[in-house]
Amino acid sequence: SQELEQSPQSLIVQEGKNLTINCTSSKTLYGLYWYKQKYGEGLIFLMMLQKGGEEKSHEKITAKLDEKKQQSSLHITASQPSHAGIYLCGADSQGAQKLVFGQGTRLTINP
Amino acid sequence: DGGITQSPKYLFRKEGQNVTLSCEQNLNHDAMYWYRQDPGQGLRLIYYSQIVNDFQKGDIAEGYSVSREKKESFPLTVTSAQKNPTAFYLCASSIGVTRADTQYFGPGTRLTVL
Repeated sequence: SQELEQSPQSLIVQEGKNLTINCTSSKTLYGLYWYKQKYGEGLIFLMMLQKGGEEKSHEKITAKLDEKKQQSSLHITASQPSHAGIYLCGADSQGAQKLVFGQGTRLTINP
Repeated sequence: DGGITQSPKYLFRKEGQNVTLSCEQNLNHDAMYWYRQDPGQGLRLIYYSQIVNDFQKGDIAEGYSVSREKKESFPLTVTSAQKNPTAFYLCASSIGVTRADTQYFGPGTRLTVL
């Protein structure tokens, strides 16, 4: 079965700094989703990447999919307190939308 | 407003009791899902349903049951057979089941077994 490994598991950055979160898959990535979660709340959809080399941006968040490396990265530019939370990657490995998720990366932004 | 609602937000249960978590969506989505989240872990799929009156087991279905009698509703019952039910439960839905169909999540229910 497919497994997703996120790194780092937690991250503390100064407000205004850039940061990157990685998601590495044990198998070929056919579709990769990024979600954000505030503690005790549901997941908010950020972006979905389908093709190798694809890159998408939303406001200050950019996600890329490296099909050869079976990896996706999430990059935040000029971080703000509103970026704090848990970021989860999810992948559809078996079709029928049976997503598997990474363990999450907890992001803290210090003022 | 379209969305997914889950109730209750917090639920307490005594050992040996069954409990049912509610999930309703008004997005007109065909597919619905239940996930479990434990501290420091990602989400794990319990059950999913691609269409009314049909559902399949996910990776951790033991001790859980579901029904899909209406398109907009997908309740999850946590039975007394579930050995470690304390967790955060998330419901999701998607318009279909192709790889391009994004899953959208509800706010979650935190279940605590006393």
